[in-house]
Amino acid sequence: QSALTQPASVSGSPGQAITISCTGTSSDVGGYNYVSWYQHHPGKAPKLMIYEVSNRPAGVSNRFSGSKSGNTASLTISGLQAEDEADYYCSSYTSSSTLYVLFGGGTKLTVL
Amino acid sequence: QVQLVESGGGLVKPGGSLRLSCAASGFSFSDYYMTWIRQAPGKGLEWVSYISFSSNTIYYADSVKGRFTISRDNAKKSLYLQMNSLRAEDTAVYYCARVYSTSGYAFDFWGQGTMVTVSS
Repeated sequence: QSALTQPASVSGSPGQAITISCTGTSSDVGGYNYVSWYQHHPGKAPKLMIYEVSNRPAGVSNRFSGSKSGNTASLTISGLQAEDEADYYCSSYTSSSTLYVLFGGGTKLTVL
Repeated sequence: QVQLVESGGGLVKPGGSLRLSCAASGFSFSDYYMTWIRQAPGKGLEWVSYISFSSNTIYYADSVKGRFTISRDNAKKSLYLQMNSLRAEDTAVYYCARVYSTSGYAFDFWGQGTMVTVSS
């Protein structure tokens, strides 16, 4: 089964807002509200930013928000800051009998 | 604070074996499902395996089924991944992660990973 589809890279200037998309199918993103987003600074432990499409764990800035429409989920980061520069991965529960969770290929966010 | 520390990675020849460990601290380990996730060089994340509180429920990705075995020792607060019949495509950073209790399909704490290289 193919990974979820994310853009390879996005960029924005400090203070701006950016959106990262994550496209799947009706067997994963479109069929269930179990989309999560992770921030990964290379060499460090990935960090959960959003779970169940739009929920933030305690301690995550409200500059991070999630949404979903059809088979595409989105992560929006508002008020971009230098420390937001990282790789971002989406994931989703999948009804595939051979998998439990499917990840996206990752998006490199560059803060200009 | 919650900490997950992986160990056991290294260089191994194709067909060889390796056992990864993940030491947990800062939380009640036996109350959480745990998982292994990997990232091949230059690639995205890939879920590998999942184990329930008491090891009653275990899942594997097709790519490792029959070759990898996940296990846990709640008394030692440790998670393991026994990897046999290793292939070049198993080369990756392996992360252990805690399954978020609020949502069974998210992972709220991860380790920093241990590198496994399969090469002759």
